Amino acid sequence: KAGVTQTPRYLIKTRGQQVTLSCSPISGHRSVSWYQQTPGQGLQFLFEYFSETQRNKGNFPGRFSGRQFSNSRSEMNVSTLELGDSALYLCASSLSRTVETQYFGPGTRLLVL
Amino acid sequence: AQSVTQLDSQVPVFEEAPVELRCNYSSSVSVYLFWYVQYPNQGLQLLLKYLSGSTLVKGINGFEAEFNKSQTSFHLRKPSVHISDTAEYFCAVSDQRDSSYKLIFGSGTRLLVRP
Repeated sequence: KAGVTQTPRYLIKTRGQQVTLSCSPISGHRSVSWYQQTPGQGLQFLFEYFSETQRNKGNFPGRFSGRQFSNSRSEMNVSTLELGDSALYLCASSLSRTVETQYFGPGTRLLVL
Repeated sequence: AQSVTQLDSQVPVFEEAPVELRCNYSSSVSVYLFWYVQYPNQGLQLLLKYLSGSTLVKGINGFEAEFNKSQTSFHLRKPSVHISDTAEYFCAVSDQRDSSYKLIFGSGTRLLVRP
């Protein structure tokens, strides 16, 4: 069974640009959560999607958004990039809305110049 | 709100020695507890989790952890480490009463195993 896949794995953008990251959950998993990992703030919850609806959002500005498609694949978008958005963005999937059986992808490393 | 403290940012240890990575959380009420490992340029891999039941939890790669409700701790242990255990380890908590289904992570402990 394939694991969680994230594309692209690496990305370089400049300030002011926008970026879209993609996450394909494990087959059959319907819940997708996103986390941001930075050296300064550590791992922080961004948002969670289930059945194409955002169920929860962490303490991030509105520049961070996302969506989930009918096949459970999810995308997150960051508009008007800032230097501080440089981070590893991790996606996690689970069968339903639970953290007990959450599987993480390899992440997308975003560098904002 | 829940919080997780990993007091040791880095733990150096010699190969085949025992190791303990410490984790404390803020509330003992209805929590799930996890340890994840992150190797360089990779995502998070679940080592073990405590949901309920026995307070001693065994995980993959020879790791185990003990849930101590009175001390609000969930320390990770391994009796004999290998070079390949060099990685960053994260303790995480989820409040069972919280409907956000999110994990709150500690700041991580870098385990450095020396030959």
